[in-house]
Amino acid sequence: DTAVSQTPKYLVTQMGNDKSIKCEQNLGHDTMYWYKQDSKKFLKIMFSYNNKELIINETVPNRFSPKSPDKAHLNLHINSLELGDSAVYFCASSSADRGSNQPQHFGDGTRLSIL
Amino acid sequence: QQQVKQSPQSLIVQKGGISIINCAYENTAFDYFPWYQQFPGKGPALLIAIRPDVSEKKEGRFTISFNKSAKQFSLHIMDSQPGDSATYFCAASRGNYGQNFVFGPGTRLSVLP
Repeated sequence: DTAVSQTPKYLVTQMGNDKSIKCEQNLGHDTMYWYKQDSKKFLKIMFSYNNKELIINETVPNRFSPKSPDKAHLNLHINSLELGDSAVYFCASSSADRGSNQPQHFGDGTRLSIL
Repeated sequence: QQQVKQSPQSLIVQKGGISIINCAYENTAFDYFPWYQQFPGKGPALLIAIRPDVSEKKEGRFTISFNKSAKQFSLHIMDSQPGDSATYFCAASRGNYGQNFVFGPGTRLSVLP
């Protein structure tokens, strides 16, 4: 009964391809996130999504797009993959309470390798 | 202003020793300061967190010390164990839906048996 689950765990693909990573949370949270962790372990937020409100980190290329079919899911679509996209991508969720931060719960990550 | 600085980058401690990791921030609007622990192949997991209205929080062997005037906070791990070997991230956040969640660069802790 994993709280935040991502699939696939590993993704190896060619440069230029389009791929998706799925994320589901069963915690009843209403805010979900995507993070990118580079080879130096640095964690950087890419998106947060709450009640249809999408907050985008302006440094994220528009080749990356989050899609949320419902409150428990936030998938990440990546178009025209580039070598620099190789990283571990983490999905996270939290219960949003305006003005009061709540801890984020992370999935185990998807390791994306671009050949 | 959005940065969180963390030191040291790596730390080696003998079993039973005290591990200390320090973080500093600039943005005084931050109002939530969590620490996350990450094992290889796993996602970060919340270890302990503090809000700026207290100067210290302790949970078991883990203590956060918070100095609001210096804009610094630190994690102390007492009686460090080999199972504590992991990467530790401090973070800071302010308001709303966590989109202002900023992580430090991480500290790789190794506890020798």
